[in-house]
Amino acid sequence: NAGVTQTPKFQVLKTGQSMTLQCAQDMNHEYMSWYRQDPGMGLRLIHYSVGAGITDQGEVPNGYNVSRSTTEDFPLRLLSAAPSQTSVYFCASRKAGQDYGYTFGSGTRLTVV
Amino acid sequence: ELKVEQNPLFLSMQEGKNYTIYCNYSTTSDRLYWYRQDPGKSLESLFVLLSNGAVKQEGRLMASLDTKARLSTLHITAAVHDLSATYFCAVDLLWGQFYFGTGTSLTVIP
Repeated sequence: NAGVTQTPKFQVLKTGQSMTLQCAQDMNHEYMSWYRQDPGMGLRLIHYSVGAGITDQGEVPNGYNVSRSTTEDFPLRLLSAAPSQTSVYFCASRKAGQDYGYTFGSGTRLTVV
Repeated sequence: ELKVEQNPLFLSMQEGKNYTIYCNYSTTSDRLYWYRQDPGKSLESLFVLLSNGAVKQEGRLMASLDTKARLSTLHITAAVHDLSATYFCAVDLLWGQFYFGTGTSLTVIP
């Protein structure tokens, strides 16, 4: 099992550009989430999904879109990048009904200039 | 609005000493998780606490949960340098939502 795979690992964008952060898991997990990590603020939930076709907003959804067309994939789209979106982004997945918590990907470090 | 507060935010301690990290949260939940993060790395699961009074121990770390007080603690016994990392608590809400604390950056000094 590869676990949770995030691509790319690093990205530099110009203000106003759009891009998609990819996240895939091969563990047949129903739950998937996107977080951003900023110094002194911990991890904040952006969007989450409880299964294919079902997504919902977390704490900080503005400026981001998600979709979940398959169980395996949960891409995060930045519509028009802003410097405030400079952050480290983590994708995570979890089996519904189990107690082990989320498994995290290795992260994507995004810089918006 | 759910709040998950950790303190201290930064902790510098000498090897061999004991200390406790606190995690307070503002909503009803009986499921709390602790994670560790090394610099530049992802998050690694440490403890899963699933009920009031739950206590888990692994090596020099012990975690506990008091759901009535909405408080979890992570106790470090006889710290060693390898424990230097950032520690996060996370509250488990409905439908897979995890809300994280701000993290505690621990540095163990020889």
